[in-house]
Amino acid sequence: KNEVEQSPQNLTAQEGEFITINCSYSVGISALHWLQQHPGGGIVSLFMLSSGKKKHGRLIATINIQEKHSSLHITASHPRDSAVYICAAYSGGGADGLTFGKGTHLIIQP
Amino acid sequence: EAGVTQSPTHLIKTRGQQATLRCSPISGHTSVYWYQQALGLGLQFLLWYDEGEERNRGNFPPRFSGRQFPNYSSELNVNALELEDSALYLCASSSGQGYYGYTFGSGTRLTVV
Repeated sequence: KNEVEQSPQNLTAQEGEFITINCSYSVGISALHWLQQHPGGGIVSLFMLSSGKKKHGRLIATINIQEKHSSLHITASHPRDSAVYICAAYSGGGADGLTFGKGTHLIIQP
Repeated sequence: EAGVTQSPTHLIKTRGQQATLRCSPISGHTSVYWYQQALGLGLQFLLWYDEGEERNRGNFPPRFSGRQFPNYSSELNVNALELEDSALYLCASSSGQGYYGYTFGSGTRLTVV
């Protein structure tokens, strides 16, 4: 069974700071997701990647398959980025092949 | 295009009662997944339905059950509610054709008192 660890668990930063959230997993995967969950509970998929790097606006996700590690970066952070960011690793085999991290609770202060 | 919709948004039940949660997938999606997010824990896989059939279930007792209707919407039933069933229940859907990730709904927050 895949183990997915995220760090840090909690992060408070000032508006404008560069943010990095890390995710490591224990077994080989075919895809890794970064998800965003706002206080209301709904989850939005930010990225799905299996290699390299993806960028969307101020968000950048990278993955190193050999090191079993992924990072989510936020540039020029803003209070509206405050949310829980969840990493999920898909190792195949259907729905139970998706293992979620516990999330990183990010607060951006103005 | 409408996203994955869940109802109700919030549900309060008494211990021992039954709860029914509903999910409508994105149009064209045939697979529906249910997850439980208890306080302080990550998302835990509950059930997977595809084309009307239960394909897999997570490590949850049989009092967690569900079904998928011909229009691919799904219902999650939790019988004999216990206090620890209080959680956010999230539904996700996918096309079922290969793996392209899931689209999540906003969840139903179930509180058992």
